[in-house]
Parts: sequence; structure tokens; C-alpha cells
Amino acid sequence: GAGVSQSPRYKVAKRGQDVALRCDPISGHVSLFWYQQALGQGPEFLTYFQNEAQLDKSGLPSDRFFAERPEGSVSTLKIQRTQQEDSAVYLCASSARPGLASNEQFFGPGTRLTVL
Amino acid sequence: DAKTTQPPSMDCAEGRAANLPCNHSTISGNEYVYWYRQIHSQGPQYIIHGLKNNETNEMASLIITEDRKSSTLILPHATLRDTAVYYCIVRVPIGGSQGNLIFGKGTKLSVKP
Repeated sequence: GAGVSQSPRYKVAKRGQDVALRCDPISGHVSLFWYQQALGQGPEFLTYFQNEAQLDKSGLPSDRFFAERPEGSVSTLKIQRTQQEDSAVYLCASSARPGLASNEQFFGPGTRLTVL
Repeated sequence: DAKTTQPPSMDCAEGRAANLPCNHSTISGNEYVYWYRQIHSQGPQYIIHGLKNNETNEMASLIITEDRKSSTLILPHATLRDTAVYYCIVRVPIGGSQGNLIFGKGTKLSVKP
């Protein structure tokens, strides 16, 4: 079956450009997470959606980062005025329902963003 | 969430068992131990989780000590495709935003022919 997909897989941006990264979660999954992974590090939490509601954005590093999930399925992470320190892999994950003991998160392949 | 400590790297011969340790001495009574792995250029993949009993699935076995302060992930017959970074995570399995995973640096397992 279809897993979590992300597009584009690779993105090169000039410093100061705006970028938009897309995540298609597994159909029917309620929870959606965005993570940022710097080179050589583990992923770090950015933000969380339950359906269309953004319940936690505590991990967003600055107000240049914005995420939305308007219809409770596809999500977009937007970064405005990109900086070199934004270069990282951006991972999206979804899970079926909050509150389950397993609460397994299914990850997409990530978008590798390089800011020149 | 409790902090975990893992060795930065390990080697294993193909076909042998890979035993990956994790220390979580400050784990709380209601926190589970989760293992994920990340193969190069892919997103993390769930492997297994447990509370206090040993667990086994088609991918691996999880052995948790009686005091729950440490655990070991066992890949019984490692293959080259098991080369990856393995993350041990402890957390309360609740939903909502607190369901986000807190990754450390993990253990880079290299399976060698």
C-alpha cells in the first residue's frame, strides 16, 4: 500500500527564497508530524497536526517557518526567506490515531533542502 | 521524556546476531521503550516497542531488564540491509503533540560480509 510521500525529494534554494515542502500522509491518518534532521543528527520535532488543527508548533525554529494542513490530509511546510542554517532533511510522519499504545509513526523519505 | 544513551557505532558480521544496547536509567514507570532505525537516505522506520516484558516481532526482539534501566535490541540474523542508524527512544505512548519522538544520535550499525 501507499506510504507517506513527500515532494520534492530534493530542493536547492538561494538564500532569501521561499520554499514549500509537501507531505502526503497515509490515507486516514489523523496525526501528522514534521521533523527537521541536520546532517549527522537525529530528527528533531517541528510541529504536530491532529486532523486540520495544528496543536503544537513549539519546535518551529523561527517565525519564518509555517505549516498547514487545511483539509486534514496533505500538509505543507513553508519556509520564508531561507537561510543557510535551514539546510537539512525535512521529514514528515503520520500515525493512525492518537492515544494508541503502539502509536507507530510512519515516515516519508524526506525532502533534502540545500540553501546556497 | 527520559534520556537514552547508546554507543555511537557497532559492527556485526553478516548472519550473526546484532545486539544493540540502550541505557535509560531515568525511565518512568509509564514510559515505553521504542526502537526505530534509519537506513541511509530514508525516513526512520519503526521496529518494536515494549514496557517491561520482552517483545518479539518479525524484525527483532527487545529485551528489557527487570529494573527497566536498560534494554537490548536483538537482530537475530543480521543482513547487509540491516546497516542503519538505530534509535532507542523512551516515551509515554499517549497521543497528541506529546506523541512526537525525541531522537538522540543513535547507534550506527554496520553489518559486514
